[in-house]
Amino acid sequence: DAGVIQSPRHEVTEMGQEVTLRCKPISGHNSLFWYRQTMMRGLELLIYFNNNVPIDDSGMPEDRFSAKMPNASFSTLKIQPSEPRDSAVYFCASRSALRNTEAFFGQGTRLTVV
Amino acid sequence: TQLLEQSPQFLSIQEGENLTVYCNSSSVFSSLQWYRQEPGEGPVLLVTVVTGGEVKKLKRLTFQFGDARKDSSLHITAAQPGDTGLYLCAGDPAGNMLTFGGGTRLMVKP
Repeated sequence: DAGVIQSPRHEVTEMGQEVTLRCKPISGHNSLFWYRQTMMRGLELLIYFNNNVPIDDSGMPEDRFSAKMPNASFSTLKIQPSEPRDSAVYFCASRSALRNTEAFFGQGTRLTVV
Repeated sequence: TQLLEQSPQFLSIQEGENLTVYCNSSSVFSSLQWYRQEPGEGPVLLVTVVTGGEVKKLKRLTFQFGDARKDSSLHITAAQPGDTGLYLCAGDPAGNMLTFGGGTRLMVKP
Protein backbone atom coordinates (compact mmCIF):
# COMPACT_ATOMS: atom_id res chain seq x y z
CA ASP A 1 0.00 0.00 0.00
CA ALA A 2 1.27 3.50 -0.83
CA GLY A 3 0.23 4.90 2.53
CA VAL A 4 -2.05 7.87 3.12
CA ILE A 5 -2.01 10.11 0.08
CA GLN A 6 -2.78 13.81 0.30
CA SER A 7 -3.06 16.37 -2.47
CA PRO A 8 -1.96 18.95 -3.20
CA ARG A 9 1.33 19.08 -1.26
CA HIS A 10 1.36 22.87 -1.45
CA GLU A 11 -1.43 25.35 -2.08
CA VAL A 12 -1.16 29.12 -2.31
CA THR A 13 -4.42 30.98 -2.70
CA GLU A 14 -5.85 34.42 -2.30
CA MET A 15 -8.08 35.37 0.59
CA GLY A 16 -11.71 34.69 -0.20
CA GLN A 17 -11.04 31.79 -2.55
CA GLU A 18 -12.31 28.26 -2.00
CA VAL A 19 -9.72 25.63 -1.12
CA THR A 20 -10.22 21.87 -1.31
CA LEU A 21 -7.78 19.43 0.26
CA ARG A 22 -7.93 15.76 -0.64
CA CYS A 23 -7.05 12.55 1.14
CA LYS A 24 -6.92 8.87 0.22
CA PRO A 25 -6.63 6.71 3.36
CA ILE A 26 -4.95 3.33 3.58
CA SER A 27 -7.20 0.60 2.23
CA GLY A 28 -9.02 -1.25 5.01
CA HIS A 29 -8.69 1.51 7.60
CA ASN A 30 -12.01 2.42 9.18
CA SER A 31 -11.07 5.73 10.81
CA LEU A 32 -9.93 8.92 9.12
CA PHE A 33 -8.72 12.09 10.82
CA TRP A 34 -8.09 15.64 9.64
CA TYR A 35 -5.58 17.72 11.62
CA ARG A 36 -4.23 21.26 11.32
CA GLN A 37 -0.70 22.04 12.50
CA THR A 38 0.75 25.45 13.32
CA MET A 39 3.65 26.54 15.50
CA MET A 40 1.31 28.37 17.83
CA ARG A 41 -1.40 25.74 18.30
CA GLY A 42 0.38 22.48 17.53
CA LEU A 43 -1.49 19.55 15.97
CA GLU A 44 -5.21 20.16 16.32
CA LEU A 45 -7.85 17.55 15.53
CA LEU A 46 -10.45 19.10 13.24
CA ILE A 47 -12.76 16.17 12.53
CA TYR A 48 -12.73 12.40 12.40
CA PHE A 49 -14.77 9.78 10.61
CA ASN A 50 -15.56 6.17 11.47
CA ASN A 51 -16.77 4.05 8.56
CA ASN A 52 -17.27 7.21 6.46
CA VAL A 53 -19.52 8.82 9.11
CA PRO A 54 -18.40 12.05 10.83
CA ILE A 55 -18.19 11.31 14.56
CA ASP A 56 -16.76 14.47 16.08
CA ASP A 57 -16.37 17.79 14.28
CA SER A 58 -16.02 19.93 17.40
CA GLY A 59 -12.52 20.91 16.32
CA MET A 60 -13.67 22.52 13.07
CA PRO A 61 -12.90 26.21 13.60
CA GLU A 62 -16.03 27.68 12.04
CA ASP A 63 -18.65 27.27 9.35
CA ARG A 64 -16.15 28.11 6.65
CA PHE A 65 -14.70 24.62 7.15
CA SER A 66 -16.45 21.48 5.94
CA ALA A 67 -15.35 17.87 5.48
CA LYS A 68 -16.85 14.96 3.60
CA MET A 69 -16.10 11.29 3.17
CA PRO A 70 -18.28 10.02 0.31
CA ASN A 71 -16.68 6.57 0.37
CA ALA A 72 -14.05 4.55 2.21
CA SER A 73 -11.23 5.63 -0.08
CA PHE A 74 -11.65 9.39 -0.31
CA SER A 75 -12.16 12.44 1.89
CA THR A 76 -12.08 16.19 1.34
CA LEU A 77 -11.61 19.19 3.59
CA LYS A 78 -12.98 22.40 2.14
CA ILE A 79 -12.44 25.97 3.28
CA GLN A 80 -14.78 28.57 1.80
CA PRO A 81 -13.98 31.43 1.92
CA SER A 82 -10.34 31.09 2.93
CA GLU A 83 -8.63 33.63 5.22
CA PRO A 84 -4.93 34.32 5.96
CA ARG A 85 -5.31 32.81 9.46
CA ASP A 86 -6.14 29.47 7.82
CA SER A 87 -2.52 29.20 6.67
CA ALA A 88 -1.14 25.99 8.18
CA VAL A 89 -0.15 22.43 7.35
CA TYR A 90 -3.17 20.16 7.10
CA PHE A 91 -2.68 16.46 7.76
CA CYS A 92 -4.90 13.52 7.03
CA ALA A 93 -4.40 10.27 8.97
CA SER A 94 -6.07 6.89 8.97
CA ARG A 95 -6.08 3.84 11.19
CA SER A 96 -7.90 0.63 11.92
CA ALA A 97 -10.99 0.78 14.14
CA LEU A 98 -9.24 -1.43 16.69
CA ARG A 99 -8.15 0.37 19.87
CA ASN A 100 -4.53 1.40 20.36
CA THR A 101 -3.52 0.91 16.74
CA GLU A 102 -1.09 3.14 14.88
CA ALA A 103 -2.34 6.20 13.02
CA PHE A 104 -0.66 6.63 9.64
CA PHE A 105 -0.24 10.17 8.38
CA GLY A 106 -0.02 11.63 4.92
CA GLN A 107 2.73 14.09 4.08
CA GLY A 108 0.39 17.01 4.62
CA THR A 109 -0.78 19.97 2.56
CA ARG A 110 0.94 23.26 3.25
CA LEU A 111 -1.70 25.95 2.75
CA THR A 112 -0.80 29.61 2.38
CA VAL A 113 -3.60 32.16 2.11
CA VAL A 114 -2.40 35.60 1.02
CA THR B 1 -6.28 24.11 27.40
CA GLN B 2 -5.02 20.91 25.85
CA LEU B 3 -6.09 17.53 27.15
CA LEU B 4 -2.47 16.36 26.98
CA GLU B 5 0.20 18.75 28.24
CA GLN B 6 3.78 18.17 27.17
CA SER B 7 6.93 19.59 28.72
CA PRO B 8 9.30 21.03 27.94
CA GLN B 9 8.12 22.67 24.72
CA PHE B 10 11.66 23.13 23.46
CA LEU B 11 14.89 21.36 24.32
CA SER B 12 18.34 21.99 22.91
CA ILE B 13 21.13 19.71 24.12
CA GLN B 14 24.57 18.47 23.15
CA GLU B 15 25.17 15.08 21.63
CA GLY B 16 25.67 12.46 24.33
CA GLU B 17 23.42 14.08 26.94
CA ASN B 18 20.36 12.40 28.43
CA LEU B 19 16.89 13.93 28.43
CA THR B 20 13.33 13.28 29.56
CA VAL B 21 10.12 14.54 27.99
CA TYR B 22 6.82 14.48 29.87
CA CYS B 23 3.19 14.08 28.86
CA ASN B 24 0.57 14.81 31.52
CA SER B 25 -3.21 14.85 31.76
CA SER B 26 -5.91 15.06 34.40
CA SER B 27 -7.80 12.36 32.49
CA VAL B 28 -7.27 8.62 32.49
CA PHE B 29 -6.34 7.03 29.17
CA SER B 30 -6.63 3.41 28.15
CA SER B 31 -3.34 3.89 26.33
CA LEU B 32 -0.93 6.59 25.22
CA GLN B 33 1.16 6.75 22.11
CA TRP B 34 4.38 8.57 21.25
CA TYR B 35 5.06 9.85 17.75
CA ARG B 36 8.08 11.53 16.20
CA GLN B 37 7.77 14.08 13.42
CA GLU B 38 10.53 15.32 11.12
CA PRO B 39 10.31 18.51 9.03
CA GLY B 40 8.07 18.15 6.00
CA GLU B 41 6.65 14.82 7.11
CA GLY B 42 3.72 13.54 9.11
CA PRO B 43 4.18 12.05 12.59
CA VAL B 44 5.34 8.43 12.80
CA LEU B 45 4.50 6.10 15.67
CA LEU B 46 7.31 5.17 18.07
CA VAL B 47 5.43 3.20 20.72
CA THR B 48 2.08 2.50 22.37
CA VAL B 49 1.87 1.98 26.15
CA VAL B 50 -1.23 0.27 27.46
CA THR B 51 -0.74 -0.99 31.03
CA GLY B 52 -0.32 1.34 34.01
CA GLY B 53 3.32 1.28 35.12
CA GLU B 54 4.45 -0.24 31.84
CA VAL B 55 7.98 0.45 30.62
CA LYS B 56 8.97 -0.08 27.00
CA LYS B 57 12.42 0.30 25.50
CA LEU B 58 13.26 1.10 21.91
CA LYS B 59 17.07 1.15 21.62
CA ARG B 60 18.11 4.32 23.50
CA LEU B 61 14.51 5.42 24.08
CA THR B 62 12.63 4.38 27.22
CA PHE B 63 8.89 5.00 27.54
CA GLN B 64 6.91 4.77 30.75
CA PHE B 65 3.17 4.86 31.39
CA GLY B 66 2.14 6.22 34.78
CA ASP B 67 0.53 3.88 37.31
CA ALA B 68 -2.70 5.89 37.17
CA ARG B 69 -2.60 6.00 33.35
CA LYS B 70 -2.73 9.80 33.33
CA ASP B 71 0.84 10.50 32.30
CA SER B 72 3.80 9.18 30.36
CA SER B 73 7.46 9.97 29.90
CA LEU B 74 10.05 9.48 27.20
CA HIS B 75 13.70 9.23 28.21
CA ILE B 76 16.50 9.33 25.66
CA THR B 77 19.95 8.14 26.67
CA ALA B 78 23.05 9.52 24.96
CA ALA B 79 21.12 11.64 22.49
CA GLN B 80 22.38 11.83 18.92
CA PRO B 81 21.79 14.45 16.19
CA GLY B 82 19.52 11.92 14.47
CA ASP B 83 17.13 12.18 17.43
CA THR B 84 16.34 15.77 16.47
CA GLY B 85 12.65 16.26 15.80
CA LEU B 86 9.23 16.96 17.26
CA TYR B 87 8.04 14.40 19.82
CA LEU B 88 4.29 14.12 20.31
CA CYS B 89 2.22 12.14 22.75
CA ALA B 90 -1.32 11.11 21.78
CA GLY B 91 -4.32 9.39 23.33
CA ASP B 92 -7.94 8.40 22.75
CA PRO B 93 -10.16 10.45 25.09
CA ALA B 94 -13.28 8.86 23.63
CA GLY B 95 -14.17 6.32 21.01
CA ASN B 96 -11.54 6.07 18.33
CA MET B 97 -10.69 9.78 18.47
CA LEU B 98 -6.95 10.55 18.60
CA THR B 99 -5.81 13.80 20.21
CA PHE B 100 -2.23 15.07 20.51
CA GLY B 101 -0.25 17.02 23.03
CA GLY B 102 1.49 20.26 22.08
CA GLY B 103 4.78 18.50 21.37
CA THR B 104 8.40 18.81 22.46
CA ARG B 105 10.77 20.16 19.87
CA LEU B 106 14.18 18.55 20.42
CA MET B 107 17.43 19.68 18.89
CA VAL B 108 20.60 17.66 19.46
CA LYS B 109 23.76 19.50 18.52
CA PRO B 110 26.87 17.59 17.44
